[in-house]
Amino acid sequence: DIQMTQSPSSLSASVGDRVTITCQASQDISNYLNWYQQKPGKAPKLLMYDASNLEIGVPSRFSGSGSGTYFTFTISSLQPEDIATYYCQQYENHFTFGPGTKVDIK
Amino acid sequence: EVQLVESGGGLVKPGGSLRLSCAASGFTFNTYTMIWVRQPPGKGLEWVSSISSQSNYIYYADSLKGRFTISRDNAKNSVLLQMNNLRAEDTAVYYCAKARYGYYFDSWGQGTLVTVSS
Repeated sequence: DIQMTQSPSSLSASVGDRVTITCQASQDISNYLNWYQQKPGKAPKLLMYDASNLEIGVPSRFSGSGSGTYFTFTISSLQPEDIATYYCQQYENHFTFGPGTKVDIK
Repeated sequence: EVQLVESGGGLVKPGGSLRLSCAASGFTFNTYTMIWVRQPPGKGLEWVSSISSQSNYIYYADSLKGRFTISRDNAKNSVLLQMNNLRAEDTAVYYCAKARYGYYFDSWGQGTLVTVSS
């Protein structure tokens, strides 16, 4: 099974800050990685697919990069509506989610 | 507009069974892989099962150990999850999702809560 890790597990940043989350896979998953946003009490929402492709309608302040085993997800300018937990997910072999990163406003 | 509506959750005793349903609308249901994902209270997301558009390919998380069965009815635009021999650790919100190209979970239902407790 492919294991996914994320860091940090939580972070607190100011509005306008650049925020970066990392995701690591236990083996090479090429670019078979998606990112989801989940706001409290809501279903997850697909933000990015194939590591670096923005889902239609998602603001351009969100971006992703990486391949192989190491990936990053960036919010270029944190907005109040970005308060959520962010999950990476591999699909190289079935599906595995990372443990999530909770993003808060300082 | 894509809509996915889960139902069938509730309180069940350990060892009991429950059948979840997901009613789909707003897209060509019989061309999409469908997914079940669960989330224990206060915890992260866990993929449960997948079923391809024509039910040719069905997969389960190893942790389920044969207790769950996924199926779909393309005539009724619905996907089902039969859960047997339920355990306390199966307590979670269960989400139904549509998988674009089989890999991108691009639409989700609101979830249905399953509580396994005596």
